[in-house]
Amino acid sequence: SAVISQKPSRDICQRGTSLTIQCQVDSQVTMMFWYRQQPGQSLTLIATANQGSEATYESGFVIDKFPISRPNLTFSTLTVSNMSPEDSSIYLCSGRQGGETQYFGPGTRLLVL
Amino acid sequence: AQKVTQAQTEISVVEKEDVTLDCVYETRDTTYYLFWYKQPPSGELVFLIRRNSFDEQNEISGRYSWNFQKSTSSFNFTITASQVVDSAVYFCALSEARDYKLSFGAGTTVTVRA
Repeated sequence: SAVISQKPSRDICQRGTSLTIQCQVDSQVTMMFWYRQQPGQSLTLIATANQGSEATYESGFVIDKFPISRPNLTFSTLTVSNMSPEDSSIYLCSGRQGGETQYFGPGTRLLVL
Repeated sequence: AQKVTQAQTEISVVEKEDVTLDCVYETRDTTYYLFWYKQPPSGELVFLIRRNSFDEQNEISGRYSWNFQKSTSSFNFTITASQVVDSAVYFCALSEARDYKLSFGAGTTVTVRA
């Protein structure tokens, strides 16, 4: 199974600022995804990170707010832009190697004041 | 659109009791995958089990077992002889072969008391 790391593990940010979260996989994965987990809630898919092209966003999420990059098969970034307190969540990336199982990173806990 | 329902919000048991978590799903695809993930208080999401839509054989893996029934669209999960370390939120999830996006249920919080 792929081992996924995320940076930072947590952060406290001021409203109006932006934070970029990094996701690194220890081996090549065919697909990478970004999820959001709001306090006390389940996980919601933000987007599919496509290697070398624009991410595919789910309904309710837009590129201007959550720009995503994936320059290669092992790395992706998610930026949370112009943050507000409503963006306080855990952000998780996941990777799928070729089988059907997605493995998740440890998550980034974001608190926006 | 796919959908996953976990009707149980919270379950509290005493150590060594068995815990069964219910999951009901909806999908129009014929090929899909069902998962159980565990999220302990530390926050990471840990993969537990996966079942493919074309394989209804139920198995046991250590203290974990599952009951997959396509006829009722259910994928229930049992922890046998629960331990305090099993305390966590458990998520049932579904992905379809056409895009592998995961849809999660609301989660069931399991508390195991010593």
